Amino acid sequence: EVQLLESGGGSAQPGGSLRLSCVASGFTLSSYAMNWVRQAPGKGLEWVSDIRGSGDTTYYADSVKGRFTISRDISKNTLYLHMSGLTAEDTAIYYCAKPRGTPLYFDSWGRGTLVTVSS
Amino acid sequence: SYVLTQPPSVSVAPGKTARITCGGNNIGSYGVHWYQRRPGQAPVLVIYYDDDRPSAIPDRFSGSNSGNTATLTISRVEAGDEADYYCQVWDTRSNHVVFGGGTKLTVL
Repeated sequence: EVQLLESGGGSAQPGGSLRLSCVASGFTLSSYAMNWVRQAPGKGLEWVSDIRGSGDTTYYADSVKGRFTISRDISKNTLYLHMSGLTAEDTAIYYCAKPRGTPLYFDSWGRGTLVTVSS
Repeated sequence: SYVLTQPPSVSVAPGKTARITCGGNNIGSYGVHWYQRRPGQAPVLVIYYDDDRPSAIPDRFSGSNSGNTATLTISRVEAGDEADYYCQVWDTRSNHVVFGGGTKLTVL
């Protein structure tokens, strides 16, 4: 059974940094692309970033490009999202999601971790 | 960038049929996926590739996609279907995932 467990959320000041983690079980990260999706309070789902199964190709939403970095540690079967230059607009629940198929859709989601950016 | 447009809200009486639309330029050429998100829970895939349904999703949920509109149809609506619904595509030109703004389904 696929399980995704996010952690690392919390409070940060504007301009600060956080690193989110997503531990995957039931499958091997090296075989699958992985994504981060967020939902700000009162807003809809917003795609954040994608890392391909090869690990050498990444994509970012324009809103986070240059500030966020997606990565993974195959030995720990863990996905990461390094966030810097945080602003209040980054306040959201962050989900890791496992995509499937072409064109991709998300068949598994974690429960999310809350990031709050406030002074 | 590609934009998907959903109505903010749809209301339906129990036992009736709800239709939630997702508009996009030539969306019929994309594979459209739909998610249900109940408050406090992670999203759940309810329709993929326009009209395929995961095995755990009841057959009351169906989808269609043509021209500039994709539609999620929920038949015999139940109180438990009350949730936010999101459509999603993969924009191959930008290699970005795109979500619609979401539709809040209210069961009267």
